[in-house]
Amino acid sequence: DIQMTQSPSSLSASVGDRVTITCRASQSVNIYLNWYQQKPGKAPNLLIYAASSLQSGVPSRFSGSGSGTDFTLTISSLQPEDFATYYCQQSYSTPALTFGGGTKVEI
Amino acid sequence: EVQLVESGGGLVQAGGSLRLSCTVSGSTFSDYWMNWVRQAPGKGLEWVANIKQDGSEKYYVDSVKGRFTISRDNAKNSLYLQMNSLRAEDTAVYYCARGCGGGCSWGIFFDSWGQGTLVTVSS
Repeated sequence: DIQMTQSPSSLSASVGDRVTITCRASQSVNIYLNWYQQKPGKAPNLLIYAASSLQSGVPSRFSGSGSGTDFTLTISSLQPEDFATYYCQQSYSTPALTFGGGTKVEI
Repeated sequence: EVQLVESGGGLVQAGGSLRLSCTVSGSTFSDYWMNWVRQAPGKGLEWVANIKQDGSEKYYVDSVKGRFTISRDNAKNSLYLQMNSLRAEDTAVYYCARGCGGGCSWGIFFDSWGQGTLVTVSS
């Protein structure tokens, strides 16, 4: 199984900050890497697919990069509504899928 | 707008069974892989199972193999998860999530989710 490791597990930031979250795969996943945002008590929401493609309706301050084993999700200027938990997910080993452990972005 | 609505969660004793349902609207249900994803209280996301558009292929995470069965009824736009021999560690919110359609060029990712249904297994 492909293991996904996110870092940090949590971070503190302020409105307007540039925030970077890292996701590392235990083996190459090419660019088959996706990012989700989850707010408390809500279902996750797809932000980025195929490492860097922005899902329709997602603000452009979100961006993704990377390939192989190392990936990043960047929020260029943190907004109040961005305080949430972020998860990466590999789809390389489709149909068997795995998520990272999550990164909580707090004030 | 795609809508996914889960139902069937509740409290069950260890060793018991439960059947979850998910009804999808606003989308051609039969065009997409469908998935169940769960989240234990205070924990991260875990993919549980998925099923191909025509139901011909089904896959499970190792921890539920032999106990859970995923199925779908394309005529009813519905997805199901039959859960048997439930354990305390199966306690979680279970989400129905739409996967990819067509050839799945980028593998399966989840572009629409239901609100989730809580399954609590008491020991």
